[in-house]
Amino acid sequence: RKEVEQDPGPFNVPEGATVAFNCTYSNSASQSFFWYRQDCRKEPKLLMSVYSSGNEDGRFTAQLNRASQYISLLIRDSKLSDSATYLCVVRYFNDYKLSFGAGTTVTVRA
Amino acid sequence: GAVVSQHPSRVICKSGTSVKIECRSLDFQATTMFWYRQFPKQSLMLMATSNEGSKATYEQGVEKDKFLINHASLTLSTLTVTSAHPEDSSFYICSALQGGYGYTFGSGTRLTVV
Repeated sequence: RKEVEQDPGPFNVPEGATVAFNCTYSNSASQSFFWYRQDCRKEPKLLMSVYSSGNEDGRFTAQLNRASQYISLLIRDSKLSDSATYLCVVRYFNDYKLSFGAGTTVTVRA
Repeated sequence: GAVVSQHPSRVICKSGTSVKIECRSLDFQATTMFWYRQFPKQSLMLMATSNEGSKATYEQGVEKDKFLINHASLTLSTLTVTSAHPEDSSFYICSALQGGYGYTFGSGTRLTVV
């Protein structure tokens, strides 16, 4: 079983739509959670950290459910520029290594 | 903000040759550098962790004699793919740990072995 699993998508949505997707992690010792964005053939870039109480950053909302071991990302009012692969990333307690999901691809169409 | 410069961005080499990839932290000291490999439509897989002045720690299944990592200074870490073969063709990317929590990624190197 993979440590971090994501629905690969693709999620193909029109501009202005809301899109949401989840990620599950297998290690309950996971401590920190992040969403990264990766454009084709580029390096991942931090989109946002995910906090226990859930957090928002503009049109992006992240939620964490420790009991069920999943995190989610919701994108409101999708823009064409939101088209990318979104990587779920987990860091374990007392360890600086990051574990990456394979990514969820989102395509926003005009 | 923090920048990690990774070179080359893409390289094509012949089977059996070696390729060196460099990652430099430009405005901070990177005591720890992570090296990843990413195959198409797959996740970034950690290959090894390097700490300045000490031997790298390799993940299970990664051949340390094939993927040589050197982290001789606080601003430079290198990955050398020795005797490269077509199956080593991949996207290699480094990430520097800054201040214990911040991760800065290089822009990646696309290696094609022919």
